[in-house]
Amino acid sequence: DAGVTQSPTHLIKTRGQQVTLRCSPISGHKSVSWYQQVLGQGPQFIFQYYEKEERGRGNFPDRFSARQFPNYSSELNVNALLLGDSALYLCASSLVFTGTSGRAQMNEQFFGPGTRLTVL
Amino acid sequence: KNQVEQSPQSLIILEGKNCTLQCNYTVSPFSNLRWYKQDTGRGPVSLTIMTFSENTKSNGRYTATLDADTKQSSLHITASQLSDSASYICVVSHSGGYQKVTFGTGTKLQVIP
Repeated sequence: DAGVTQSPTHLIKTRGQQVTLRCSPISGHKSVSWYQQVLGQGPQFIFQYYEKEERGRGNFPDRFSARQFPNYSSELNVNALLLGDSALYLCASSLVFTGTSGRAQMNEQFFGPGTRLTVL
Repeated sequence: KNQVEQSPQSLIILEGKNCTLQCNYTVSPFSNLRWYKQDTGRGPVSLTIMTFSENTKSNGRYTATLDADTKQSSLHITASQLSDSASYICVVSHSGGYQKVTFGTGTKLQVIP
């Protein structure tokens, strides 16, 4: 069974441009999360989507947006790129289950290989 | 403030030796703690996951411990191999709801022959 896939693997853009990154979750996983990982640091949470709705948002500017499609794949868009947007962008998928409290809870996240974005 | 701190920041050990990585967290309410291995430029891969009631969990040569009282976890690597060279990230999930996780900054391990 295929794991989480991301495309493209590498991308070079210039300041001011726009970029779209794509993610396909593991089959059966309905939750997708996006992370930004700057070199030498841990991943920083950007978005989570579940059942095509945004369920969480990290501390990122409005230049960052995302969406999830009916097949649960997802796109991350970044507008007006800045040099500081250069990073490894990770996508993670997970199952979501209903806990004993009746609230939805996220299971273990499985990460894709990432997209390396370089902004010149 | 929810934080996850890891130490050491980097570590170099000889092949065949053991090592222990540390993770301290202030996340509350706590749900679970995971250790991930991340090769350079790749996505993290899960090694272990531990809930509140678990003290120790092993995955081959990797053994994780959790002390929920002191909010500390460790990852012990036995008989290290060159392929263990990677960053090891501690991730703590908050209790309930959707995306509520805090990542540590990782420990960069280099195993040399």
